[in-house]
Amino acid sequence: SQQGEEDPQALSIQEGENATMNCSYKTSINNLQWYRQNSGRGLVHLILIRSNEREKHSGRLRVTLDTSKKSSSLLITASRAADTASYFCATDVGANSKLTFGKGITLSVRP
Amino acid sequence: DAGVTQSPTHLIKTRGQQVTLRCSPKSGHDTVSWYQQALGQGPQFIFQYYEEEERQRGNFPDRFSGHQFPNYSSELNVNALLLGDSALYLCASSSIQGASYNEQFFGPGTRLTVL
Repeated sequence: SQQGEEDPQALSIQEGENATMNCSYKTSINNLQWYRQNSGRGLVHLILIRSNEREKHSGRLRVTLDTSKKSSSLLITASRAADTASYFCATDVGANSKLTFGKGITLSVRP
Repeated sequence: DAGVTQSPTHLIKTRGQQVTLRCSPKSGHDTVSWYQQALGQGPQFIFQYYEEEERQRGNFPDRFSGHQFPNYSSELNVNALLLGDSALYLCASSSIQGASYNEQFFGPGTRLTVL
């Protein structure tokens, strides 16, 4: 079963705009991670946020976590055509435990 | 520093056959997890290996089995293939020493098609 649910399912924006993607989950978590996947290939790790953290930044990426609402958001600023991909959130419930993924968000960035 | 590698890239099999997929973890990693990703879906956890033993298992039948070798590389075996086994199979590696962070790094995947 899928723990996380991303929202929206698909997003289309113009290059240079910001893209915001949301993820909700059902049970308490230890970590939440965001991954990117290009055209059905391997997953690229973007960022990990721990349950006791509220916000993290990495380059053009900003991730927030609200454990009271069981939700996270991924913001990509100044999007580029190369950001076109599927994005997944994944949660775990403890050290070295399995990752549980949502169904993903398809982001299209128009040049 | 090589990342996670998987072989083969693509594989076509017929129903009832058996398949073996291979994974080499990222340098310094000792834990390997396998995931199945059906088209249009998120990856689903199959099982995880550490110290050559299966530590966790997802909701997959016994037709799915695995192995981890002393050099930390791993194999995924699927017996009696069904059409529904067609998917992208992903291997992820992590380090038990970084367990509190549980960052898992994925390989490029093996695309299995069952005809």
